[in-house]
Amino acid sequence: DAGVIQSPRHEVTEMGQEVTLRCKPISGHNSLFWYRQTMMRGLELLIYFNNNVPIDDSGMPEDRFSAKMPNASFSTLKIQPSEPRDSAVYFCASRAQLGKDTQYFGPGTRLTVL
Amino acid sequence: QQQVKQSPQSLIVQKGGISIINCAYENTAFDYFPWYQQFPGKGPALLIAIRPDVSEKKEGRFTISFNKSAKQFSLHIMDSQPGDSATYFCAARGGSQGNLIFGKGTKLSVKP
Repeated sequence: DAGVIQSPRHEVTEMGQEVTLRCKPISGHNSLFWYRQTMMRGLELLIYFNNNVPIDDSGMPEDRFSAKMPNASFSTLKIQPSEPRDSAVYFCASRAQLGKDTQYFGPGTRLTVL
Repeated sequence: QQQVKQSPQSLIVQKGGISIINCAYENTAFDYFPWYQQFPGKGPALLIAIRPDVSEKKEGRFTISFNKSAKQFSLHIMDSQPGDSATYFCAARGGSQGNLIFGKGTKLSVKP
């Protein structure tokens, strides 16, 4: 299995631009999580999907952030407009099913907003 | 109540020594306590996990000790090796949806 796939691995953009991060979960997994990691705040859960439906988006920082999961094999996290304080590593993770324990993380996308 | 407090923030251990990382929680409804290991440039990966009905779990050189009454759990790495140098995160599963709440992480450096 290829594991959780994220793209791009690195993104550098200018303030005000739209940024789209992509995630392909492990095949057969039906829970998907988006996290943000910074030195100051550690690993924060942004949003969580189960069976393609957003379950908990209380971690999404503000309306500039949005996430979609149009099907079981693809999810996007969009930031529009981006700001320098959005600079972080964004991880996607998937889990086999509700109630299962292990979350499998992707390699992350390092976002730099200038 | 949803926080998981982790210490120390960083740790330096000599090769062959014991590394100990501690975590504390408040929410007694937490039912699953994993430790994740993260190498630079990689995503976190599950290392070992425990449920509150046992006080200790060992897998190779890695042991979780769990104290339910004190609401604390710790990771012990025996015979620490330079290859163990990484950032370690404790976590707890909280809420009906089973989301993980992570500690802030401990950067471990094992010196040869």
